Amino acid sequence: AQSVTQLGSHVSVSEGALVLLRCNYSSSVPPYLFWYVQYPNQGLQLLLKYTTGATLVKGINGFEAEFKKSETSFHLTKPSAHMSDAAEYFCAVYGGSQGNLIFGKGTKLSVKP
Amino acid sequence: DAGVTQSPTHLIKTRGQQVTLRCSPKSGHDTVSWYQQALGQGPQFIFQYYEEEERQRGNFPDRFSGHQFPNYSSELNVNALLLGDSALYLCASSSTGGLGQPQHFGDGTRLSIL
Repeated sequence: AQSVTQLGSHVSVSEGALVLLRCNYSSSVPPYLFWYVQYPNQGLQLLLKYTTGATLVKGINGFEAEFKKSETSFHLTKPSAHMSDAAEYFCAVYGGSQGNLIFGKGTKLSVKP
Repeated sequence: DAGVTQSPTHLIKTRGQQVTLRCSPKSGHDTVSWYQQALGQGPQFIFQYYEEEERQRGNFPDRFSGHQFPNYSSELNVNALLLGDSALYLCASSSTGGLGQPQHFGDGTRLSIL
């Protein structure tokens, strides 16, 4: 069965610092992986996805993630944090044959001025 | 291009009542999935509809039911509401075309049970 583990429920960085949000997955088949962002009182917005092909995936707002099969990881990074990046971030993997998403518990990112 | 729209945005009910939540998918999408997001948790999959049929279901009781209409819009119905049903209910739409098609989410309906 597929599952996702996000390490760290809360990450705090200074503005301009590197953002690193960790995600490890478990999957019995080649995984399809996603990162979503959720701002307060809003739904989820897709940041990026990995299906097949290039293992370094670039998304919106300067975020990128690298798929590492050997480490079963799909960590999200951004070189320089901005105040507007403060939000909750969810890593997800496709769970079933028809494509339901299985989410991690989320990581809340705070950005200090 | 309208994205996924959900109504209502907020709803307050009491235990034992029933509720209907509505969702219109993004233009061009034919598949609708529903998720429950409890406070401080990630979304949990309830079920998915395609061609007006429930295609897949998560670990939710039969009190949770749904429907998809010919125009691809969908409803989520919850009967005999419990306090534990208080959550943000998210609708997501996608297009068929194989795995890997991303799901696009609405802003959700916040359901509070008193």
